[in-house]
Amino acid sequence: GQNIDQPTEMTATEGAIVQINCTYQTSGFNGLFWYQQHAGEAPTFLSYNVLDGLEEKGRFSSFLSRSKGYSYLLLKELQMKDSASYLCAVRDGIKAAGNKLTFGGGTRVLVKP
Amino acid sequence: DSGVTQTPKHLITATGQRVTLRCSPRSGDLSVYWYQQSLDQGLQFLIQYYNGEERAKGNILERFSAQQFPDLHSELNLSSLELGDSALYFCASSLGQLYQETQYFGPGTRLLVL
Repeated sequence: GQNIDQPTEMTATEGAIVQINCTYQTSGFNGLFWYQQHAGEAPTFLSYNVLDGLEEKGRFSSFLSRSKGYSYLLLKELQMKDSASYLCAVRDGIKAAGNKLTFGGGTRVLVKP
Repeated sequence: DSGVTQTPKHLITATGQRVTLRCSPRSGDLSVYWYQQSLDQGLQFLIQYYNGEERAKGNILERFSAQQFPDLHSELNLSSLELGDSALYFCASSLGQLYQETQYFGPGTRLLVL
């Protein structure tokens, strides 16, 4: 099975940087995803890591350490529109599990002026 | 817009009833996934279909069933509805060819059981 932990809520100021941590314990691993979800809307894909290291995409970066079961999402130059929930999800490495994603509970980020 | 469509957008029904949620994947995607999101449970995987066949199953209740049709659209059937089934139901799709694939989510169906 999979166990994924991330903080429930974080607050930051517009223009600042916020780091959202995600730790996971899994029976298999085949990649970690970050999604952004505004209230009542669909999750939208932000980033994907399958190898250790940092992936940078504009203002968003994601880091993975497989040996530590740890990832973080870094949001730079925060904007008001970044207020949303950020979901960490792990894909099972077990073939029979298909491509299913197991999601953490999500971290609600509130950006203040 | 992810390219995944879901209907209806909202659904209000009574306990004991049966509803059908519909999903059309992105053009070219063969895999469809169903997820349930409730306030206390987060986003939970229900079931995956690939090219018409069931590929993986999650915490899907026996009262729930799904299928994927030859044109690749999928339907999720929820029966004997209970108050606790009230949730957002998302469909996602991916190419389905490889394991290292991104899933793209539809806008969801908000189900309210009264």
